[in-house]
Amino acid sequence: AQTVTQSQPEMSVQEAETVTLSCTYDTSESDYYLFWYKQPPSRQMILVIRQEAYKQQNATENRFSVNFQKAAKSFSLKISDSQLGDAAMYFCAYRSVKGAQKLVFGQGTRLTINP
Amino acid sequence: KAGVTQTPRYLIKTRGQQVTLSCSPISGHRSVSWYQQTPGQGLQFLFEYFSETQRNKGNFPGRFSGRQFSNSRSEMNVSTLELGDSALYLCASSLNMEYEQYFGPGTRLTVT
Repeated sequence: AQTVTQSQPEMSVQEAETVTLSCTYDTSESDYYLFWYKQPPSRQMILVIRQEAYKQQNATENRFSVNFQKAAKSFSLKISDSQLGDAAMYFCAYRSVKGAQKLVFGQGTRLTINP
Repeated sequence: KAGVTQTPRYLIKTRGQQVTLSCSPISGHRSVSWYQQTPGQGLQFLFEYFSETQRNKGNFPGRFSGRQFSNSRSEMNVSTLELGDSALYLCASSLNMEYEQYFGPGTRLTVT
């Protein structure tokens, strides 16, 4: 079974600075998807970024980028120019490509932005 | 385009009762998944439906069931509620099996 681990329960960063959230995962599959989701206090889960395992190029979405290290099974999220609206719980998630939508989530990292 | 909607948003039930939660996916989306979120267990997969068929089921007791209708709307039912069923229940929809999921705001269930 696949597992996802987020070793940082909480992180904080000064507004406008850069922060990196860590995620490691365990799988025996060679092809899969990885995601970062954000859950603000409103509780609505929002997709931040997606990475296909077969792609070597790291995904980027505006101020959000990932460092995907397939051999190390590591998938970190970098947030540049942090904004107050980035404050939220961030979840790393794994999904197999084998015809299932099931997401396996990490325990989450609570990110605080200090003004 | 409207997002995923879930009703009701909040619910209080008593132990032993049953409850039905509803999820309306984004228009055109045919896949619906359900997750339970608790402080202790985190986010756990409940089940997944595609074109009215259950494609995958998580490790939950038989008290948890669901279904999907021809218009892709989905319901989940929990019978004989226990205190431990108190959680945020999240529904997510996607265009089909290959695409990412978009989540609804959730239903907060409290069992007393």
